[in-house]
Amino acid sequence: QVQLVESGGGVVQPGRSLRLSCAASGFTFSSYAVHWVRQAPGKGLEWLAVISHDGTNTYYADSVKGRFTISRDNSKNTLYLQMHSLRAEDTAVYYCARDPGSTWVGLLDYWGQGTLVTVSS
Amino acid sequence: DIVMTQSPDSLAVSLGERATINCKSSQSVLYSSNNKNYLAWYQQKPGQPPKLLIYWASTRESGVPDRFSGSGSGTDFTLTISSLQAEDVAVYYCQQYYRTPRALTFGGGTKVEIK
Repeated sequence: QVQLVESGGGVVQPGRSLRLSCAASGFTFSSYAVHWVRQAPGKGLEWLAVISHDGTNTYYADSVKGRFTISRDNSKNTLYLQMHSLRAEDTAVYYCARDPGSTWVGLLDYWGQGTLVTVSS
Repeated sequence: DIVMTQSPDSLAVSLGERATINCKSSQSVLYSSNNKNYLAWYQQKPGQPPKLLIYWASTRESGVPDRFSGSGSGTDFTLTISSLQAEDVAVYYCQQYYRTPRALTFGGGTKVEIK
């Protein structure tokens, strides 16, 4: 079955960096686009970024453009989110989610359980 | 970006009764070349990630019970739960994916509870 497992969250000081990972299994990872979405505590969903199946195309929300970088290693079936210059407002559960398309359709058909990032001094 | 507005913020419905959630987009998400509405609905139960319920405004994802239905076109959409079950307690989100790549945006969510 399709599984997405995020890791790398934790408590980080403002201004520091953090890299999240998302390990995929149960499907041909290299055939699908993948997204990052976050959810601040008690709040709604915010889409962050998407990467195409082969990593050649990426797209970001304005709120994280220039600070966050999405990437993937298809040989390891793993998606990444490199986050720099973290702010208190980046505190959230970060989810990876599969897109049913190879570039992207914009649907999120499978989600991981999420990893919590807390930005605090 | 396209802004998605859901109403109500929350609603309480008796078991077996109908629940209706509305979603309005700030611009049309109907793509004229294929006549498809780029609108999806997700269900998020407490402590869980969201789950895709409906896409193309009215197509149920595989395995989703037929008591869930989606309707609407252009800028106005509705998710209906025809006969609320206890396991349907959740927050429901609409999301547009019109002509990606472009920022995907979600509605603010509607919390459904049992009356």
